[in-house]
Amino acid sequence: QQPVQSPQAVILREGEDAVINCSSSKALYSVHWYRQKHGEAPVFLMILLKGGEQKGHEKISASFNEKKQQSSLYLTASQLSYSGTYFCGTEGNRDDKIIFGKGTRLHILP
Amino acid sequence: DSGVTQTPKHLITATGQRVTLRCSPRSGDLSVYWYQQSLDQGLQFLIQYYNGEERAKGNILERFSAQQFPDLHSELNLSSLELGDSALYFCASSVWDSLGNTIYFGEGSWLTVV
Repeated sequence: QQPVQSPQAVILREGEDAVINCSSSKALYSVHWYRQKHGEAPVFLMILLKGGEQKGHEKISASFNEKKQQSSLYLTASQLSYSGTYFCGTEGNRDDKIIFGKGTRLHILP
Repeated sequence: DSGVTQTPKHLITATGQRVTLRCSPRSGDLSVYWYQQSLDQGLQFLIQYYNGEERAKGNILERFSAQQFPDLHSELNLSSLELGDSALYFCASSVWDSLGNTIYFGEGSWLTVV
């Protein structure tokens, strides 16, 4: 029940916007978003709990549509520091294991 | 610094050998997770422990085993190593807070099997 992320990779110029999608075939309790730089540990961005919410973190925000079992991560006015691989992780029930998608590579060009 | 400590950071070993990866979770975190990340691959869930007991199992090979000790640190044992086991192994710990079940990753242990 690995979530599916799309696109697999994105190349943007600094200042452009990006959307990364995450979908699951099963009901979700929560969706987690992480960013990983090459060779480093994934870094927590945000969690969205069921209830259909949207959260923001600087210029990075996300939405969670519980009914559609989908989440989207929005990066606006991208900065060079946003480059990396973004992973969504899904949790079927509270305290369930967290399964991550294969990731979306984001490369920001100056 | 996430507060999750993993040792060793790097190790190189030969095929057929056995290694142990160690993880100390953040203070107070009861859950420990192990993930495997192969070159350019995603985070493959291996196993989860909660307060000393196995909570969930993922695609963990029979050659691999793990445990969580009373002091909550965890070890991942990899035996009869194969070239394909070369990967970055992450430990993570989690706590329920106002955000939800937030998991924090350690820096990882790079395993190279030659």
